[in-house]
Amino acid sequence: GAVVSQHPSWVICKSGTSVKIECRSLDFQATTMFWYRQFPKQSLMLMATSNEGSKATYEQGVEKDKFLINHASLTLSTLTVTSAHPEDSSFYICSLSVYSYNEQFFGPGTRLTVL
Amino acid sequence: AQRVTQPEKLLSVFKGAPVELKCNYSYSGSPELFWYVQYSRQRLQLLLRHISRESIKGFTADLNKGETSFHLKKPFAQEEDSAMYYCALSQGAQKLVFGQGTRLTINP
Repeated sequence: GAVVSQHPSWVICKSGTSVKIECRSLDFQATTMFWYRQFPKQSLMLMATSNEGSKATYEQGVEKDKFLINHASLTLSTLTVTSAHPEDSSFYICSLSVYSYNEQFFGPGTRLTVL
Repeated sequence: AQRVTQPEKLLSVFKGAPVELKCNYSYSGSPELFWYVQYSRQRLQLLLRHISRESIKGFTADLNKGETSFHLKKPFAQEEDSAMYYCALSQGAQKLVFGQGTRLTINP
């Protein structure tokens, strides 16, 4: 299967600052990636679909100006949480969609804590 | 709207006992369903998908369109099965909708 990495694995930031999370596909071309967030003891909620070379598609209720997604290469998608607030504290997970496998491969996640 | 429901947040069984994790869905089209598993301190990974009709680690799941269910079953639980299990529905373009998850604990 595909290998997906995320960086950083854990970040703490002050309220009002911006944080960038990277999601890399190590062995497959990542034309489509997904970003999820997971609150403690809750399920994964899809935030957006990241498409290489084009604008991301956001799910209803997700602010695109707050959660900026950039997918400029076939190996990297980034999620930037702008002007972070404590309520943005969550576990952010990316996944790679591999059409030939009909499967998503998940990264290990990034835990964001906003003070 | 597409929805996946896992009614049990927690499920605890003894080693060697049968296990059934429930999953119900609502979807207007032809559903494609998956079970994902997350072991302690590991990332989410695919366990099985209904179209493959496969058995992985002794687990099976049958799609019942009449009952809109996709329950995960294993006849004899093992301690290493303890994990978080998520049922998921593909709603096209490989987008997944996840259920709330069930934490399975196998007692020795």
